[in-house]
Amino acid sequence: GQQVQQSPASLVLQEGENAELQCNFSTSLNSMQWFYQRPGGSLVSLFYNPSGTKHSGRLTSTTVIKERRSSLHISSSQTTDSGTYLCALEPGYQNFYFGKGTSLTVIP
Amino acid sequence: GPKVLQIPSHQIIDMGQMVTLNCDPVSNHLYFYWYKQILGQQMEFLVNFYNGKVMEKSKLFKDQFSVERPDGSYFTLKIQPTALEDSAVYFCASSLQNTLYFGAGTRLSVL
Repeated sequence: GQQVQQSPASLVLQEGENAELQCNFSTSLNSMQWFYQRPGGSLVSLFYNPSGTKHSGRLTSTTVIKERRSSLHISSSQTTDSGTYLCALEPGYQNFYFGKGTSLTVIP
Repeated sequence: GPKVLQIPSHQIIDMGQMVTLNCDPVSNHLYFYWYKQILGQQMEFLVNFYNGKVMEKSKLFKDQFSVERPDGSYFTLKIQPTALEDSAVYFCASSLQNTLYFGAGTRLSVL
C-alpha cells in the first residue's frame, strides 16, 4: 500500500508567502529525506532529517517519529522555489520510498 | 556538490529492442539505487546495491531488467526486450551513508 502520503498535492502562492508541506507515513521509519525536483526533472536533496528540526536558509524541516510525520516549511517564497517537493521514507536501512510530491507554484 | 552522471539523457527505441542505461555514481559512495518515474507520477524504487552487490529488488524489477557493474565503477541498467510501459525517466542515485545524490535521469521513450 501507499506508505508515504504528501499534502497538499499542489499549492499556489504569491511571492513572499509562506508554505507548509506535509508528509505522513503509514509505517515506522528509520529516517526520511526531503527533495526538490526541478521542472526539468533532476532531484536535489534538501534535508536528511531522521528526527527533530533542521534549518537551511528559508527552509525548515521537522520530523516527529512518534507521530509518523514530517513537514517542510518554506518562508518568504520566491518564484525560483517553484517545482515539486518530494519526501522519501526510509523504513528499514538504506532503502527509500517516495511520496507523490507537492507541486508548488509561486507567482510574482 | 557530488555529481552523479547518467548517460544518455534521452533514448528513443522501438518496442522489443534492448536498451542500456548508464550511471557513474559518486566515487566513494557505497550505496547505489535505480528509480523509475513515469511522467507526472511517483518516483518508484527498482533496485539497490551495497558495495557493488544487489541488496533488494522491487516488484517493478521485471525479468527483462538486469543490472551490472562492468568494470567496478559505473553501473548499467539493461532492459531486454523493452515494452511500451517501460517509457519513463530512469534515475540513479548514490549515497555514502545518508543523503541520496541523484543523477539528472535518462528519459526513455519506447515506441
